[in-house]
Amino acid sequence: KAGVTQTPRYLIKTRGQQVTLSCSPISGHRSVSWYQQTPGQGLQFLFEYFSETQRNKGNFPGRFSGRQFSNSRSEMNVSTLELGDSALYLCASSPISSAGYETQYFGPGTRLLVL
Amino acid sequence: AQSVAQPEDQVNVAEGNPLTVKCTYSVSGNPYLFWYVQYPNRGLQFLLKYITGDNLVKGSYGFEAEFNKSQTSFHLKKPSALVSDSALYFCAVREKGNNRLAFGKGNQVVVIP
Repeated sequence: KAGVTQTPRYLIKTRGQQVTLSCSPISGHRSVSWYQQTPGQGLQFLFEYFSETQRNKGNFPGRFSGRQFSNSRSEMNVSTLELGDSALYLCASSPISSAGYETQYFGPGTRLLVL
Repeated sequence: AQSVAQPEDQVNVAEGNPLTVKCTYSVSGNPYLFWYVQYPNRGLQFLLKYITGDNLVKGSYGFEAEFNKSQTSFHLKKPSALVSDSALYFCAVREKGNNRLAFGKGNQVVVIP
């Protein structure tokens, strides 16, 4: 199976702009989670989507939003970019079994630089 | 809220020696524990997990981890380290019924030839 794919891989934006990142999960995986990785804060959970519904949200401002489509692909959007939004944004997908959530598998990430 | 502590910033080990990366956790109820590895400019690669069962879990690339409930620890081990094991290692925990992973700060492992 193909792994989790994320596009674009690299992005440069300026303060005040908005950005949309895309994630395609592993085939058959219906849960998609997003994480932000920075040197200072480490890996932080942004949100999780399952069946086009946001099921869980981390402690990030409302400028960070996401959505999931019927084919389980997901996008996240950051509006009014700030310098501190520069980070590696990681998407992870996982299947759902009768036992509950399974292992999350990560994509290569999108590296966002805000100037 | 769930949390993970990885007390060491960097672990240096000579090639061929045993490698241990420490992790302690805090969670309500039974923990779901994971180890991931990250190479430069890459995403996270899954190594192994503990859900239930044997306290010693075997994973990819010769890694294993030992779950200790009384010490709330889940240390990662490899009997004989390789130079190619040099990378950033993350321990993560989640609660049952919740797909939100809480990560430790990560440990940089440097294997010296």
